[in-house]
Amino acid sequence: SAVISQKPSRDICQRGTSLTIQCQVDSQVTMMFWYRQQPGQSLTLIATANQGSEATYESGFVIDKFPISRPNLTFSTLTVSNMSPEDSSIYLCSVEDVGGAAYEQYFGPGTRLTVT
Amino acid sequence: DAKTTQPTSMDCAEGRAANLPCNHSTISGNEYVYWYRQIHSQGPQYIIHGLKNNETNEMASLIITEDRKSSTLILPHATLRDTAVYYCIVRAYSGYSTLTFGKGTMLLVSP
Repeated sequence: SAVISQKPSRDICQRGTSLTIQCQVDSQVTMMFWYRQQPGQSLTLIATANQGSEATYESGFVIDKFPISRPNLTFSTLTVSNMSPEDSSIYLCSVEDVGGAAYEQYFGPGTRLTVT
Repeated sequence: DAKTTQPTSMDCAEGRAANLPCNHSTISGNEYVYWYRQIHSQGPQYIIHGLKNNETNEMASLIITEDRKSSTLILPHATLRDTAVYYCIVRAYSGYSTLTFGKGTMLLVSP
């Protein structure tokens, strides 16, 4: 299974600032996804990031607020822009490779963000 | 909205089998049943998936009813480390498709 790391693991930020979260995978993967998990809630998909094309955002999420980069097949970043306390969440990166076993998605450990 | 219905919480004694039910009455022919779990403060972990046959791996067994409208995840000998939120998800198997997480079942394994 793919091994995924995220940086930072946690951060406390002031409102109005931006934070960029990095996701690194130990193998080349086609599909990468970014999820948000608000306190006490389930996971919500933010966007799908394909290498070489713009990310596809889910309803309720926009590129200006959550810009995503996918420069190669092992790396992606998610930026949370102009943060407010409502952005306090765990942000998770996940990957899936159709060449891997059974369309399994693997998740990173998450980035715990607190906005004050 | 999520296509599955799960109990909010369940309890299980350590060493006993944990049977987690899931209803997915609107599942379509090309959709598989996937199970993930999320241990506190960690990312979700894949457990098992199946289409219509029962499946077993080193972690769990998956029993899917003949009409495919419900399934049960079985942890044969639950341990304290199995305490987690368990998510039942239906998704298409044809190419890339996203995971839609519902609220899941909080399984508490007690000594």
